[in-house]
Amino acid sequence: DSGVTQTPKHLITATGQRVTLRCSPRSGDLSVYWYQQSLDQGLQFLIQYYNGEERAKGNILERFSAQQFPDLHSELNLSSLELGDSALYFCASSEHSDWLGYGYTFGSGTRLTVV
Amino acid sequence: TQLLEQSPQFLSIQEGENLTVYCNSSSVFSSLQWYRQEPGEGPVLLVTVVTGGEVKKLKRLTFQFGDARKDSSLHITAAQPGDTGLYLCAGGAVPSGSARQLTFGSGTQLTVLP
Repeated sequence: DSGVTQTPKHLITATGQRVTLRCSPRSGDLSVYWYQQSLDQGLQFLIQYYNGEERAKGNILERFSAQQFPDLHSELNLSSLELGDSALYFCASSEHSDWLGYGYTFGSGTRLTVV
Repeated sequence: TQLLEQSPQFLSIQEGENLTVYCNSSSVFSSLQWYRQEPGEGPVLLVTVVTGGEVKKLKRLTFQFGDARKDSSLHITAAQPGDTGLYLCAGGAVPSGSARQLTFGSGTQLTVLP
């Protein structure tokens, strides 16, 4: 157990639908990162929140959004889902706002299948 | 966006063999990390290399950071089936005034056959 909790573990939904993925960071970590992993794109950085504020944005589609709540858990919202959104979505956490050479702690991921 | 390229993409070897995987970029990195990911799990940090030319050993795994801090390699001696997994290199950008995030390479899928 890495200390980063992601729910649900699996999600199957239809095209056009909206889903919410949840992440609880490791105790003491203030940063939450969302990554998307697909077979053809590898592990792609989506977005980072630090202590409730958006800190950095990567290759996140406009149909996707995220937020971090006062208790530091984070949610990634995916809407108007397309078949190509099927992927593993990972959440990671760290203590710091910037990458300073420390490791990220990853959760076990949510496998999203859009049918 | 900095690009980290890993080679080979796939590697299948017999137990007991040695192997090396590579991570290359045209950009300079302040440090590089190596992660291993097993099916159904998130990546797990193996090592961080910081200084150009640095070599770090973790049991049968040897990690090297290039002198120019643009590349890194992972060498496994006497591979075992338990080494099977996806090996990812990752780096943070040299400070540019904006928040740095960890950028991952495309990965090397290693299979060690008993």
